[in-house]
Amino acid sequence: KAGVTQTPRYLIKTRGQQVTLSCSPISGHRSVSWYQQTPGQGLQFLFEYFSETQRNKGNFPGRFSGRQFSNSRSEMNVSTLELGDSALYLCASSSGQGATSYGYTFGSGTRLTVV
Amino acid sequence: GEDVEQSLFLSVREGDSSVINCTYTDSSSTYLYWYKQEPGAGLQLLTYIFSNMDMKQDQRLTVLLNKKDKHLSLRIADTQTGDSAIYFCAETSPGTGNQFYFGTGTSLTVIP
Repeated sequence: KAGVTQTPRYLIKTRGQQVTLSCSPISGHRSVSWYQQTPGQGLQFLFEYFSETQRNKGNFPGRFSGRQFSNSRSEMNVSTLELGDSALYLCASSSGQGATSYGYTFGSGTRLTVV
Repeated sequence: GEDVEQSLFLSVREGDSSVINCTYTDSSSTYLYWYKQEPGAGLQLLTYIFSNMDMKQDQRLTVLLNKKDKHLSLRIADTQTGDSAIYFCAETSPGTGNQFYFGTGTSLTVIP
C-alpha cells in the first residue's frame, strides 16, 4: 500500500511569490490535513479536507488556502510569500471517520524556503 | 486550542530505558498517540492508547495514561541509537472535530 506522497520535497521561492504544494493520500483515505512545522512554533494545524470540503481550519491568514479533488488528492497554496512562511509543510491522511486508533499517516513533507 | 506540553530534550545511554512525558488539557480526549520524527522525515505513528485504558505495551514501548492528571508517558526499553529522534504526543477528541493537537516534541539523544 503506497504511503502519503508529497511533492515537491524541496522548494525555494522569493518573497511575494506564490506556491502550490501537492499531497496524494493513502488509497481509500478521504481526509487530508495539512500542518506547518517550524522550530519556533512546532506543528501547527492549517486545515483539513474531507470529501472535497474543508472540514476544519486552523488559525492562519487567508494567504493560506487549500482544496481537495474528487480523487482525494489535495493541494495547498500560499500567496504573497513571507520569510516567516519558511517551514516544513506536512500532509497527513486518515480515513476521516472520527478519531481512530490509526491516527494520521504523514508524508515526508515539503521543505519550503522563502528568500 | 488544546494545550499539549512536553519537555524539550532527553538524553540517555544506549541500553537504558527512556521515559518521555506529556501533559494535556482536554479532558474529553479519546485517543492519544505517540509519533516519531527522524531528521528530514515526516512523522511516524509509533503507538496509541484509547482514553479508557491505563497502560499499553507494544514490544519495547510502554504507554502509561493517567487520565486524572492528564499525563501520558512513553517508555522505551533498551534504548538504541536508532531511537534518537523527536517524539511527539498528540491527542484528539470528538469536540475538536477530529483535529489533532500535537505537543512541542521531545528530542531524544541516545549516547553510545
